Amino acid sequence: GENVEQHPSTLSVQEGDSAVIKCTYSDSASNYFPWYKQELGKGPQLIIDIRSNVGEKKDQRIAVTLNKTAKHFSLHITETQPEDSAVYFCAASTYAGNQFYFGTGTSLTVIP
Amino acid sequence: DADVTQTPRNRITKTGKRIMLECSQTKGHDRMYWYRQDPGLGLQLIYYSFDVKDINKGEISDGYSVSRQAQAKFSLSLESAIPNQTALYFCATSNSITQYFGPGTRLTVL
Repeated sequence: GENVEQHPSTLSVQEGDSAVIKCTYSDSASNYFPWYKQELGKGPQLIIDIRSNVGEKKDQRIAVTLNKTAKHFSLHITETQPEDSAVYFCAASTYAGNQFYFGTGTSLTVIP
Repeated sequence: DADVTQTPRNRITKTGKRIMLECSQTKGHDRMYWYRQDPGLGLQLIYYSFDVKDINKGEISDGYSVSRQAQAKFSLSLESAIPNQTALYFCATSNSITQYFGPGTRLTVL
């Protein structure tokens, strides 16, 4: 089955700086890659996703890049704010969405 | 999150007890999932269901069972709870592409 690895496990940045979280996957059949943000006491919420026919996608301060050849994808958050502090999860799946395979999470702290 | 509700939100039980966690959704999705979250391990899939008559095991189904009572309801049971089942449990629904998670149930087995 699919194996998703996520790094780093913890990340601290100064407010206003950028944060980058990286994930790798093993199954070349995976073609859908969502990112989730989990705030304390809440369930994960989708913040951005990318499909394998696209190399990059941006939504305001958040962007995701995908390198299919190397089987890795990354989340980029620019101009970080304290409210960006949370745990972020990457995941891999197929368009059929039979199963989603999650990374182990990155705890991001934005220091004011 | 209000579209996916989980009950109870917190539960403390003893080893050997049977416990049921319930999930309801108003999103009209056919697909529902149960995940377990442990610190440092991310989300692990326990069971998933694509419709009322379809139940599938996930990565870590041993010690768990599920019931899909209706399109909107998917419950997870621990027949005889053990301490290493102490974790945060999430229900999710999907339109086949995007997953929507409930707020979670924190279960402690003493």
